[in-house]
Amino acid sequence: QQPVQSPQAVILREGEDAVINCSSSKALYSVHWYRQKHGEAPVFLMILLKGGEQKGHEKISASFNEKKQQSSLYLTASQLSYSGTYFCRPPGVGGYNKLIFGAGTRLAVHP
Amino acid sequence: DAGVTQSPTHLIKTRGQQVTLRCSPISGHKSVSWYQQVLGQGPQFIFQYYEKEERGRGNFPDRFSARQFPNYSSELNVNALLLGDSALYLCASSLNVLGDLLNQPQHFGDGTRLSIL
Repeated sequence: QQPVQSPQAVILREGEDAVINCSSSKALYSVHWYRQKHGEAPVFLMILLKGGEQKGHEKISASFNEKKQQSSLYLTASQLSYSGTYFCRPPGVGGYNKLIFGAGTRLAVHP
Repeated sequence: DAGVTQSPTHLIKTRGQQVTLRCSPISGHKSVSWYQQVLGQGPQFIFQYYEKEERGRGNFPDRFSARQFPNYSSELNVNALLLGDSALYLCASSLNVLGDLLNQPQHFGDGTRLSIL
């Protein structure tokens, strides 16, 4: 089953903060986050591990909720370069060794 | 170092034809995954291969098949093309199939844009 991302779209001004959520019906033991700019391939951003450890981007952070059925991606002091579509990808959702991406959250940062 | 390379970049086919897409992973990466991405949607998982064996399969019909070669490159084949197969086909490589459990990131190629007329 595909993880559910919310919101579907966000519009920000440069310097504002945003939160993107990724929800699953099962507990998540890790979540991968990717960003895809228009006309480009997805690019790895960071991994949130089950203990809350993060690997990847220095300026973007993520967390789990208490039941670990939702991960939130925090974009603080957004920059124009943050614009794009953000995808979460919890491993194993939908079946072992199935790599299912969420439908994405479109983020537009304006000056 | 070269990233993931895919060929061709664009392809136009007609209904009923067959197509082969190619992917070369990053040097040292042994796992290759294939995704289909329709405009406005997230990548849809098709296959994952590691050491020439299929390790994961998404919900795609048997018209879709793939293989991985000893040099870890991969081909995706689609038979009896339908209009609905028009999409961007992405290949991603990672260090190994356990790389997901070990939380290694996937690195994507620029994709092959397939148009079916």
